[in-house]
Amino acid sequence: EAGVAQSPRYKIIEKRQSVAFWCNPISGHATLYWYQQILGQGPKLLIQFQNNGVVDDSQLPKDRFSAERLKGVDSTLKIQPAKLEDSAVYLCASSVALAKNIQYFGAGTRLSVL
Amino acid sequence: KNEVEQSPQNLTAQEGEFITINCSYSVGISALHWLQQHPGGGIVSLFMLSSGKKKHGRLIATINIQEKHSSLHITASHPRDSAVYICAVGLLTQGGSEKLVFGKGTKLTVNP
Repeated sequence: EAGVAQSPRYKIIEKRQSVAFWCNPISGHATLYWYQQILGQGPKLLIQFQNNGVVDDSQLPKDRFSAERLKGVDSTLKIQPAKLEDSAVYLCASSVALAKNIQYFGAGTRLSVL
Repeated sequence: KNEVEQSPQNLTAQEGEFITINCSYSVGISALHWLQQHPGGGIVSLFMLSSGKKKHGRLIATINIQEKHSSLHITASHPRDSAVYICAVGLLTQGGSEKLVFGKGTKLTVNP
């Protein structure tokens, strides 16, 4: 079974530039999550999708971050414009259903904003 | 105060030692998860439990719901166990979905 795929693995940009990350979840997984993990901290949920609908985006900085999962499969997370404090690893995870399920994580995208 | 507190933050052990990592939480939860993160970012789920005890190989996870406390034990530790171990609690939302809140992790180093 293929795991959660993310790209790119690394990205370096200057502040005020835009960046996009892509995630392909495990086939058949209805729930998709984007997390931000700052160095030395645990992951923080940015947004959770159930199929192509948003379940929770309460911690997504909507003035600069956006995410979509148009066909209920792949997802993209965009930052526009980036700030220095956005430097982090962005993790995508997927699970079969909404609750009490194991989440499967991708390898993450390490973003450095200079 | 963080909803999930882990201790210790850092742990160094010699190969073969018995390891214990603790996790305390302050809210009602749907389940508690233990995850492992190796350098480079990849996170792997080790256990999901809502009561009692689970065992997988040399790893054992226990939870005490009344005391809001969980422990992860590693028996006969090995250098390949070196990683960050993260405790996360599942919080059910009004819509019926589960949101994971993560601890900061415990960095374990096992020396040969």
